[in-house]
Amino acid sequence: GQQLNQSPQSMFIQEGEDVSMNCTSSSIFNTWLWYKQDPGEGPVLLIALYKAGELTSNGRLTAQFGITRKDSFLNISASIPSDVGIYFCAGQTPGSGGSNYKLTFGKGTLLTVNP
Amino acid sequence: DTAVSQTPKYLVTQMGNDKSIKCEQNLGHDTMYWYKQDSKKFLKIMFSYNNKELIINETVPNRFSPKSPDKAHLNLHINSLELGDSAVYFCASSQESGVGNEQFFGPGTRLTVL
Repeated sequence: GQQLNQSPQSMFIQEGEDVSMNCTSSSIFNTWLWYKQDPGEGPVLLIALYKAGELTSNGRLTAQFGITRKDSFLNISASIPSDVGIYFCAGQTPGSGGSNYKLTFGKGTLLTVNP
Repeated sequence: DTAVSQTPKYLVTQMGNDKSIKCEQNLGHDTMYWYKQDSKKFLKIMFSYNNKELIINETVPNRFSPKSPDKAHLNLHINSLELGDSAVYFCASSQESGVGNEQFFGPGTRLTVL
């Protein structure tokens, strides 16, 4: 099946630093999404990318959909303690029949921010 | 108001038992999903229903049987529980099943099989 390689696996940073994480795949995806999961909760969508080359920002977050449609990165600027959590990339592809899109998730990046 | 809710939050049971997890969404969405998150936090889709019809069925043992009594509910029944079933199970919903439809996740059910 399709796999997403997400890196780094974990990061320990100081408050105020910038963070970058990325996902790569051998397969093409129609959509790239970035989710954040806080402890004991479900993932929450941060940014969705729909077109190759698209660069989108959401506050201190910036993400890009790679030109080849096989990769994406997420940057967080000026990190704060509440940025702590697990960040997942996810790629969306159609299922059988060309519809019923499903998400394939990366293995996550655990972010720790030291105040 | 909770958009996607799951019950129970925690479930501890013995190997071989049968258990169910319930999910409800009040977003008016047509599509619902079940995901499994293992101990390494890897999230993988199990099933997807659109308007009560099964549309995605990944390689999941047939001990797992989803049931959708209406489009606001998707329950997961698990027979003959095994140790490897221990995980966090997430329900999610989206407006439709097409590209770009944001999936909203529930808080998860942590299943522990002893």
